[in-house]
Amino acid sequence: GEEVAQTPKHLVRGEGQKAKLYCAPIKGHSYVFWYQQVLKNEFKFLISFQNENVFDETGMPKERFSAKCLPNSPCSLEIQATKLEDSAVYFCASSQEERAYEQYFGPGTRLTVT
Amino acid sequence: GQNIDQPTEMTATEGAIVQINCTYQTSGFNGLFWYQQHAGEAPTFLSYNVLDGLEEKGRFSSFLSRSKGYSYLLLKELQMKDSASYLCAVRDGGFQKLVFGTGTRLLVSP
Repeated sequence: GEEVAQTPKHLVRGEGQKAKLYCAPIKGHSYVFWYQQVLKNEFKFLISFQNENVFDETGMPKERFSAKCLPNSPCSLEIQATKLEDSAVYFCASSQEERAYEQYFGPGTRLTVT
Repeated sequence: GQNIDQPTEMTATEGAIVQINCTYQTSGFNGLFWYQQHAGEAPTFLSYNVLDGLEEKGRFSSFLSRSKGYSYLLLKELQMKDSASYLCAVRDGGFQKLVFGTGTRLLVSP
């Protein structure tokens, strides 16, 4: 597609439950990025993929967060045993090629952990 | 470490000019980006600077000085719809991830 698609738009989970978020990058884009935005403007990089391979995972909390980008499937970000501090908007972005100067952002998934 | 500083809030009047400053200290540098984000929406790309100087794009211009670790976004002929958050982000040198500042909330009043 011509836009980055993210589902669901909103997700509510009780503390300790699992949350799974999906992202479909723009067709032809080989890089996918996940960012977490808490408290309005604080963006934090989580992980990036080059096609189905992890490119940079320096921002990923190791214990409860995992992500995949499999061929012919939307990319996913999964949080096991959610905590209150995981409440945030999770943005996915894609870019066309290595060192491409523009990342296109999806509309985000708002996760609320209660 | 990574540090990107922007003013938290700014106000301006419709039709005026506003300059939003950004200073950065990052371990790597492969370009500086400005994004606009309206409340509840995704960031949208405004500009990109990788060399020193001014890049102009319609009502928006962005300036970069790599030696000073400094950039600004200049918005001319402000319109009410320009009320939004403006995010300064630096692309890490060897990787593609963006390191964001905390953003500047701009309020344009009549």
